[in-house]
Order: sequence, then C-alpha cells, then structure tokens
Amino acid sequence: NAGVTQTPKFQVLKTGQSMTLQCAQDMNHNSMYWYRQDPGMGLRLIYYSASEGTTDKGEVPNGYNVSRLNKREFSLRLESAAPSQTSVYFCASRLNTGYEQYFGPGTRLTVT
Amino acid sequence: KQEVTQIPAALSVPEGENLVLNCSFTDSAIYNLQWFRQDPGKGLTSLLLIQSSQREQTSGRLNASLDKSSGRSTLYIAASQPGDSATYLCAASRRTGANNLFFGTGTRLTVIP
Repeated sequence: NAGVTQTPKFQVLKTGQSMTLQCAQDMNHNSMYWYRQDPGMGLRLIYYSASEGTTDKGEVPNGYNVSRLNKREFSLRLESAAPSQTSVYFCASRLNTGYEQYFGPGTRLTVT
Repeated sequence: KQEVTQIPAALSVPEGENLVLNCSFTDSAIYNLQWFRQDPGKGLTSLLLIQSSQREQTSGRLNASLDKSSGRSTLYIAASQPGDSATYLCAASRRTGANNLFFGTGTRLTVIP
C-alpha cells in the first residue's frame, strides 16, 4: 500500500495564479482532510470530507475549494493564489470506524 | 474549539537520557489523542494513539499517557538516541462530525551523541 500520496511535492505560484493539489489514498478510508502548516502554528483544518460526495469547511477555508472526486481522491484548489497561502499542505485520511489519521508527505507551496 | 499547547518548544538532551514531552488541551471531551513525529521537511508519522477510554499506550521505547480530567498527555521516551531527534506533535480530536485533529505547535527534540 502506498498509503496517502500527494502531488506535487513543491510548487511556486505567482499571485493570482490557480492550481490544484491532488491527494489519493489506497486504504479504503471514508474521511479525508486537508490541513495547512505554518511556522509557529499548529496544523489547521482547511476542509474535510466525511464520505464520497460530501465536503465541509474547517477552520481556515477562505480562498480554497475542494472536490471529493471518488472515495480515493480529494483535491484542494486555489482559484487565485495569495502570498498568505504560502504554506505546507497536508492531506490525511481516516477510516470512519477507526480513530487514527494517516498523513501524506505534504506539498510545499510558495506564492510570490 | 480545542486548544492544544506543547511545552517546551525545544529540548536538548544527551544520548541515553529518559525524557518526557508535555501536551495540554482545553476541552476534556476529547475523542482521542494522537502523537506524531515530524522530521525536517517531511510529513507526519503517527507514533501512538490513545482513545478517550484509555489511560496509556506503549510502543517500544515510547509510552504515552492521557489524563482527561487534567487536560494533559505526556510522551515518555526511554533511553533516547540521536535518531529520535525530530519535532514531536500532539493532536487532540473532539467528538464532532469531522473528528478532525487540533494540533499543538510541537516540541523540537535534539538528542546529542
């Protein structure tokens, strides 16, 4: 099993550009999450999806959109990138009957 | 909202020493508490998970405890090794629909050979 995979690993954008971060899991998990990690702050939840076809906002959703394409894939889209969105983005997944969250390797995004 | 605090922010110890990392949380109605390790520039590796009904979990040289009434968890590392050098993150989840994790800012551990 690959677990949780994320692409790309690194990305540099100019202000106003758009991009989609991809996440996939092969553990047949129900719930999937997008977090961002900024220096001096704990990881914060952007959006989550409790099951295929459902998505909900987390703590810091502004400037982002998500799509739960199927049970395996959960993408995060920045429509018009801003320097404040410079961060490391982590995707995670969890089986709804379980407790543990499993994290991907992260995407390092810089917006100039 | 669940607030999670980790003190100290950084810790240096000589190799072989036993050490304790601390985590406190504000909402005692937690669903579970998870400890992670993060190496520089890398993702999060889950170390231990303690369910709300449990008091502790052990894996090798690691032991994590949970005291919901006082809002505290500790991660005990026995016989520390230079390979243990990393940032350790604690995260608590609440009994909500998302069951998402609320993270502390971490303790950066350096084990000196």
